[in-house]
Amino acid sequence: EAQVTQNPRYLITVTGKKLTVTCSQNMNHEYMSWYRQDPGLGLRQIYYSMNVEVTDKGDVPEGYKVSRKEKRNFPLILESPSPNQTSLYFCASSLGQGDYEQYFGPGTRLTVT
Amino acid sequence: SQQGEEDPQALSIQEGENATMNCSYKTSINNLQWYRQNSGRGLVHLILIRSNEREKHSGRLRVTLDTSKKSSSLLITASRAADTASYFCATDAWTTDSWGKLQFGAGTQVVVTP
Repeated sequence: EAQVTQNPRYLITVTGKKLTVTCSQNMNHEYMSWYRQDPGLGLRQIYYSMNVEVTDKGDVPEGYKVSRKEKRNFPLILESPSPNQTSLYFCASSLGQGDYEQYFGPGTRLTVT
Repeated sequence: SQQGEEDPQALSIQEGENATMNCSYKTSINNLQWYRQNSGRGLVHLILIRSNEREKHSGRLRVTLDTSKKSSSLLITASRAADTASYFCATDAWTTDSWGKLQFGAGTQVVVTP
């Protein structure tokens, strides 16, 4: 089944404790991205990647890191999480940027206390 | 920055009625997409309309695009309780700042009551 998976689905952590949210897709998609969703703000893009080893900042990259060492994986790293990073996070993938539908993962609900 | 803005923010209708929501955007676009999100879940792609298209249909969905007004509408006909969800428009804009980014609006929350 074609899908985007994320882990963990739920995470409660404390300020400053490094964490990684994994994202994997099995559709051989070139393009992957991370979004955060906050009430009233819709989805905002954090980082995106057009291909392996090619990543770029989205609209809200501060406090996040990403890497794209393999085509299928695009982990999101929070080196020192803060309470303002409490949010619902989505990973998405598509064949390319812009002109293609994006496939979304199920989401990761992160709470930073 | 948010490119698309949906209107209304919330919509409550009865089964069988039509639901219409609008999306306005600020800069020229390559295409506009509509997505649905059931409560707290991942978004699901509904339809993509390109800047040179004016109308597109998919099942009970009808999307229009007016590039002169920088707006799009999504019509769901004969709504069902299962259509209860949030609906988002997303734009792929033709600006250097937006290259590679699909920008989403804040969404319209639709509730369909039996």
